[in-house]
Amino acid sequence: EPEVTQTPSHQVTQMGQEVILRCVPISNHLYFYWYRQILGQKVEFLVSFYNNEISEKSEIFDDQFSVERPDGSNFTLKIRSTKLEDSAMYFCASPGTSGRVEQFFGPGTRLTVL
Amino acid sequence: QKEVEQDPGPLSVPEGAIVSLNCTYSNSAFQYFMWYRQYSRKGPELLMYTYSSGNKEDGRFTAQVDKSSKYISLFIRDSQPSDSATYLCAMTPAHTGRRALTFGSGTRLQVQP
Repeated sequence: EPEVTQTPSHQVTQMGQEVILRCVPISNHLYFYWYRQILGQKVEFLVSFYNNEISEKSEIFDDQFSVERPDGSNFTLKIRSTKLEDSAMYFCASPGTSGRVEQFFGPGTRLTVL
Repeated sequence: QKEVEQDPGPLSVPEGAIVSLNCTYSNSAFQYFMWYRQYSRKGPELLMYTYSSGNKEDGRFTAQVDKSSKYISLFIRDSQPSDSATYLCAMTPAHTGRRALTFGSGTRLQVQP
């Protein structure tokens, strides 16, 4: 099963601070997705990234968010100025090889904004 | 109307029971359907993946899709206490450029030993 890992597992930050969440694929993946899950709520799509470009994004993914693949392997989600309501689990997902539809999720990063 | 509806539960069953979990959806563009299992504060784990209508079986798990009714089900046979978790349905149109998953809110399952 294709796997991704995520770092850190838990991030605590002050409101207004920038955070960077990282997704590390085991092998050479082309598609990446970011989702978030506020405690007690459903998993929500944020953005998809294919071949080093954003291919799809949701209304949640506003100007405070950005994604990039800075070194060709790690895949990062940046939140520029965190708000209290950004507190959530953030999951990276990937189908592994291109052409697959099903997505495999990482363990998540728990973001707590104080 | 929500795009994907799922009864939140909790659903409590005795060990060995057959469990039926369901989702309804409103978007007829959905073509690919997935079931995930999620433990508290963990990432969703893919259980089953089906395309269009029909049945798919994998061990104790059977996934059913009825596109005419916009209704999908996951059956768990011989349920075990280790099956206690939240089960999420997810679906996507999977058109080129549109592969984002839309999730249900999840059903919490408790299997009593």
